Amino acid sequence: DGGITQSPKYLFRKEGQNVTLSCEQNLNHDAMYWYRQDPGQGLRLIYYSQIVNDFQKGDIAEGYSVSREKKESFPLTVTSAQKNPTAFYLCASSEGGLGSSYEQYFGPGTRLTVT
Amino acid sequence: QKEVEQNSGPLSVPEGAIASLNCTYSDRVSQSFFWYRQYSGKSPELIMSIYSNGDKEDGRFTAQLNKASQYVSLLIRDSQPSDSATYLCAVNRSGTYKYIFGTGTRLKVLA
Repeated sequence: DGGITQSPKYLFRKEGQNVTLSCEQNLNHDAMYWYRQDPGQGLRLIYYSQIVNDFQKGDIAEGYSVSREKKESFPLTVTSAQKNPTAFYLCASSEGGLGSSYEQYFGPGTRLTVT
Repeated sequence: QKEVEQNSGPLSVPEGAIASLNCTYSDRVSQSFFWYRQYSGKSPELIMSIYSNGDKEDGRFTAQLNKASQYVSLLIRDSQPSDSATYLCAVNRSGTYKYIFGTGTRLKVLA
């Protein structure tokens, strides 16, 4: 079955600790994205990657870091510099290619709680 | 003005009725439009994509796009209680990787 997996589903951390969220896709999509969702707010883009070894900051990249060493993997690290990390984190992917608009598909999400 | 605006709802409709969800956007260069359904506590699930003016039908769902008026809508025919969810509208400008999402409309289908 093709799809996007995220792990873990729930994550609890103490303030001041870095934490890495996993995202893997087997759809052979070029582009991958990280969003966060907070109650009452739309999805906000953290980072995106068009191809391996390349990624771009989204609207709220401060306090986050990513890597794209493999086409199928796009892990997100939430660092201690992120002031309000508690949120629902969503990974998405789409076929790539500038000049085209492709449908985005989402993974099941990771709910991060920092206390 | 928000880039993508949706009425937060809740929109309540009786079972079997047509639910009409609306979305307006501010960027005239937007070219691709998407509707997602999100159940409480779950991730968004793509329902429809529409790229050209007019209607696009898929089962009980119809997406309508009017680029001149900058709105896109989603009609759900024969609404079922299982359709109760939050519906997100998203727009994308061709050639960019940025998808702008609305905050969603909560739909309640009453049995």
